[in-house]
Amino acid sequence: GAGVSQTPSNKVTEKGKYVELRCDPISGHTALYWYRQSLGQGPEFLIYFQGTGAADDSGLPNDRFFAVRPEGSVSTLKIQRTERGDSAVYLCASSLSLQADTQYFGPGTRLTVL
Amino acid sequence: GNSVTQMEGPVTLSEEAFLTINCTYTATGYPSLFWYVQYPGEGLQLLLKATKADDKGSNKGFEATYRKETTSFHLEKGSVQVSDSAVYFCALSDKAGNNRKLIWGLGTSLAVNP
Repeated sequence: GAGVSQTPSNKVTEKGKYVELRCDPISGHTALYWYRQSLGQGPEFLIYFQGTGAADDSGLPNDRFFAVRPEGSVSTLKIQRTERGDSAVYLCASSLSLQADTQYFGPGTRLTVL
Repeated sequence: GNSVTQMEGPVTLSEEAFLTINCTYTATGYPSLFWYVQYPGEGLQLLLKATKADDKGSNKGFEATYRKETTSFHLEKGSVQVSDSAVYFCALSDKAGNNRKLIWGLGTSLAVNP
């Protein structure tokens, strides 16, 4: 079946602009995670959804970052007033349930803030 | 807090050489342990996992054993191929809470020469 998809694959924006990154998880997966991966680093956790609610948003770096999952499927990560330091690959992963160990990753969105 | 430390790369080997990539962890509970692989131009893929002490995960000729006494999960392969060239990430997931977020190492780049 279809894996996790993310759009766009690349996004170039200017400092101060607003961006939205979309994640479409595997059908039926209730848990959804967002991570951010900077060059040469491992991914770092941003936020986790169980169903429609953000169960843990402790990894969001500041209040410019926000994510939603209104119908418990597709999720959108929103970044306001982008800064050059936001440049990274944003990864989305889904898993079958809260208890499921295995997370399946999308290809990521490479965000470049000029 | 929980953390993962893995050996720095890059690692360069000749085809059919033996591979070891070291990974150690710090965790308050009994986490699940993972190795993910990122091939050039592709997204993160789960390579193998182990969920409790003394478990051995294996896939595609790779193996790793969950060693609680040494808090380690070293990745090994007896005979590497050029197609194994990729970045390898060690990660843990704390089963104690409701969030299965992954805590990652920095990644180890492997290049296998023919």
